[in-house]
Amino acid sequence: GAVVSQHPSRVICKSGTSVKIECRSLDFQATTMFWYRQFPKQSLMLMATSNEGSKATYEQGVEKDKFLINHASLTLSTLTVTSAHPEDSSFYICSAASGGDADTQYFGPGTRLTVL
Amino acid sequence: DAKTTQPPSMDCAEGRAANLPCNHSTISGNEYVYWYRQIHSQGPQYIIHGLKNNETNEMASLIITEDRKSSTLILPHATLRDTAVYYCIVNTNAGKSTFGDGTTLTVKP
Repeated sequence: GAVVSQHPSRVICKSGTSVKIECRSLDFQATTMFWYRQFPKQSLMLMATSNEGSKATYEQGVEKDKFLINHASLTLSTLTVTSAHPEDSSFYICSAASGGDADTQYFGPGTRLTVL
Repeated sequence: DAKTTQPPSMDCAEGRAANLPCNHSTISGNEYVYWYRQIHSQGPQYIIHGLKNNETNEMASLIITEDRKSSTLILPHATLRDTAVYYCIVNTNAGKSTFGDGTTLTVKP
């Protein structure tokens, strides 16, 4: 149980285009989903927290207009990188939590974004 | 969220127990200790979590000191596939987590 999927697993795009990444909790309902970014040889950096049906909460320094997050249902959240630039190239990882006293996060496999 | 401190790297012989320490001296009473691991180019994998009692599952054991200021993750019989970066984090039921640099565990034949 507690499986989270991400699609696509890797994407290459041209500078200036937008890219959408999907995160799905396959066998549980996720009250909260998180989006992380990870650069090579670095740790995960939290970008934003999203709750179903409400606006995402972004971490300091993360542009909400550039990284659009939609959490339309309890099993799906999307991250859209708008007008991507080479510096946005990174490993994007989502996680989902079902809530409760011990809010375990289950992570997706990640999406490798390369912006040319 | 409380910060955690982990050694940057550790080695372990295959078949031996791997003991990974974590300090979380500023942990609050309602914060859980979580352990995840990340194998290269994959998403982190949940291992185990606990509040104040020691915990064991099919993957590992978690030993939390009585004052809760530190914990140890134990992989009882490490295999080569256990080579990964291990993250110790603490968080409340709000779920938001801050990942440190973790410990790179290398299991050697």
